[in-house]
Amino acid sequence: DAGVIQSPRHEVTEMGQEVTLRCKPISGHDYLFWYRQTMMRGLELLIYFNNNVPIDDSGMPEDRFSAKMPNASFSTLKIQPSEPRDSAVYFCASSLEGTGSNEQFFGPGTRLTVL
Amino acid sequence: DQQVKQNSPSLSVQEGRISILNCDYTNSMFDYFLWYKKYPAEGPTFLISISSIKDKNEDGRFTVFLNKSAKHLSLHIVPSQPGDSAVYFCAASGDSNYQLIWGAGTKLIIKP
Repeated sequence: DAGVIQSPRHEVTEMGQEVTLRCKPISGHDYLFWYRQTMMRGLELLIYFNNNVPIDDSGMPEDRFSAKMPNASFSTLKIQPSEPRDSAVYFCASSLEGTGSNEQFFGPGTRLTVL
Repeated sequence: DQQVKQNSPSLSVQEGRISILNCDYTNSMFDYFLWYKKYPAEGPTFLISISSIKDKNEDGRFTVFLNKSAKHLSLHIVPSQPGDSAVYFCAASGDSNYQLIWGAGTKLIIKP
């Protein structure tokens, strides 16, 4: 089975542009997480979904960030307008309820650079 | 307020020796503790976990020890190999939700 798929792997954009990051979780998983990793703040949870419903978005830095999960196999994280401080690696992860340890499976990440 | 702490940003170990990575936590309600390994330009990958009702879990060269009274866990890698060079994250989970609470990571460097 394929793991978590993210696209694009790299994104370079200019300040003020809209950026959309995409994620396909592992089939059958019912939790989906969006993380951001930076040197300064480490791995930060932005938002997570359960059965396509957003559960906790308290980690979303500001209103410029939004996330959707229209169905069980697809999620997007959108930044509009983007700013240089949004430059980071964004990870998507998924997990299956009832595994006990709540192990999450990560995608390869999207490296975002905002100029 | 960091609930999971990895106080060593980096660790250098000779190949063949034991690597010991440490993690401290503050919340006694955590049910599970997990270790992840991360290579550059890749996502973190799960390595090993331990339930809060156990004090040791072993998987090949990797052993995790849990000391609940001290709120401390450690990951032992024996023997250390060059491919073990990576960033290691400690994470904890509770039964009230499905989030993982992450440490800041420790960069392990295995010297040949």
